[in-house]
Amino acid sequence: AQKITQTQPGMFVQEKEAVTLDCTYDTSDQSYGLFWYKQPSSGEMIFLIYQGSYDEQNATEGRYSLNFQKARKSANLVISASQLGDSAMYFCAMRGPSTDKLIFGTGTRLQVFP
Amino acid sequence: DSGVTQTPKHLITATGQRVTLRCSPRSGDLSVYWYQQSLDQGLQFLIQYYNGEERAKGNILERFSAQQFPDLHSELNLSSLELGDSALYFCASSVRDSSPLHFGNGTRLTVT
Repeated sequence: AQKITQTQPGMFVQEKEAVTLDCTYDTSDQSYGLFWYKQPSSGEMIFLIYQGSYDEQNATEGRYSLNFQKARKSANLVISASQLGDSAMYFCAMRGPSTDKLIFGTGTRLQVFP
Repeated sequence: DSGVTQTPKHLITATGQRVTLRCSPRSGDLSVYWYQQSLDQGLQFLIQYYNGEERAKGNILERFSAQQFPDLHSELNLSSLELGDSALYFCASSVRDSSPLHFGNGTRLTVT
């Protein structure tokens, strides 16, 4: 069965600093995709970044990068130069051919302080 | 703006009632997904439709049903509502299975 684990219920970071949000996963699929979503207090789910299991390069999207370590089954999100607007819940998610659904971790609440 | 439109934004209703949540996917996306987010259960996949056909089913109660219409919009029907059905219901769409899901802003359902 597929599973996503986010062990950090909450994280604090000072503005302009970098922060890493942890995500580990478990799957028997050879091909799969890993995703990160941001959910601000207003409630919407915002897609941030995607990493395919066969991608050799770590994905980057602006200030977001995904530290993909396949052997360790980890897909950590790195946010560089944190901004106050980055305060939100962050969800790691995975999808593979053994299931048609995107499964989510329990999320990490990030708070950025001045 | 994700391009996925959900209506209504908020819904307050009483136990035992029935409601319909509506979703319009992004232009060009054939797949529609419904998710339920509650405090105790997190984000739970309910059901997926692809081009009008049911594709996958998750933890969807028998009191809940959904469909996708020829114009690709989808509706989620919730009946015999219980207090525990209070949650944020998301619709999402994607262009293909491997693509990211793009979520609407959700419908917040409160059952009193």
